[in-house]
Amino acid sequence: DTAVSQTPKYLVTQMGNDKSIKCEQNLGHDTMYWYKQDSKKFLKIMFSYNNKELIINETVPNRFSPKSPDKAHLNLHINSLELGDSAVYFCASSPRLAETYNEQFFGPGTRLTVL
Amino acid sequence: GQNIDQPTEMTATEGAIVQINCTYQTSGFNGLFWYQQHAGEAPTFLSYNVLDGLEEKGRFSSFLSRSKGYSYLLLKELQMKDSASYLCAVVDSNYQLIWGAGTKLIIKP
Repeated sequence: DTAVSQTPKYLVTQMGNDKSIKCEQNLGHDTMYWYKQDSKKFLKIMFSYNNKELIINETVPNRFSPKSPDKAHLNLHINSLELGDSAVYFCASSPRLAETYNEQFFGPGTRLTVL
Repeated sequence: GQNIDQPTEMTATEGAIVQINCTYQTSGFNGLFWYQQHAGEAPTFLSYNVLDGLEEKGRFSSFLSRSKGYSYLLLKELQMKDSASYLCAVVDSNYQLIWGAGTKLIIKP
């Protein structure tokens, strides 16, 4: 009965490759997020989707492209991977967007290592 | 700009009490969350405050003062398993969650 799942858990790849990370939530939530957590452990929002529509797109290189086929899925595709992309990527979901109490539920994370 | 400050690292002894502070300056305020993150794992929800005062939940309590832009997380009867990072996050006027950098708590026997 996993709430928010991500695949793969670990991803090791060469510079210049293209890779995707998948995320699914079975909580019936409207809003989903992608975060990047670097070696300094700072959690940085990358994208937010509400009912399959992009709401937040922080200053992220356009090599990163999120795709939401339905409100239960939010995938992240990364083109031309660079060394600086190495980090842990977390997917999260929350019930709805414009709420004060909007607890976010996190997936287990994907540790991306670019060689 | 928006800013959330927490100490980078704290050390405490098993069985003791520790208070982790968080100060914030954000565009509006719609609540404050505390999350716990063990090394190599995802953040998990600990507490939520939107009104001033203390919220108690077992060994953990969270306090909020909106006028001072200040919150703290109080952990009592510390256990080794409490060694983790503790993240403070504020919901701003656009209902976006603004995250602090987290406080790494080290518990010593």
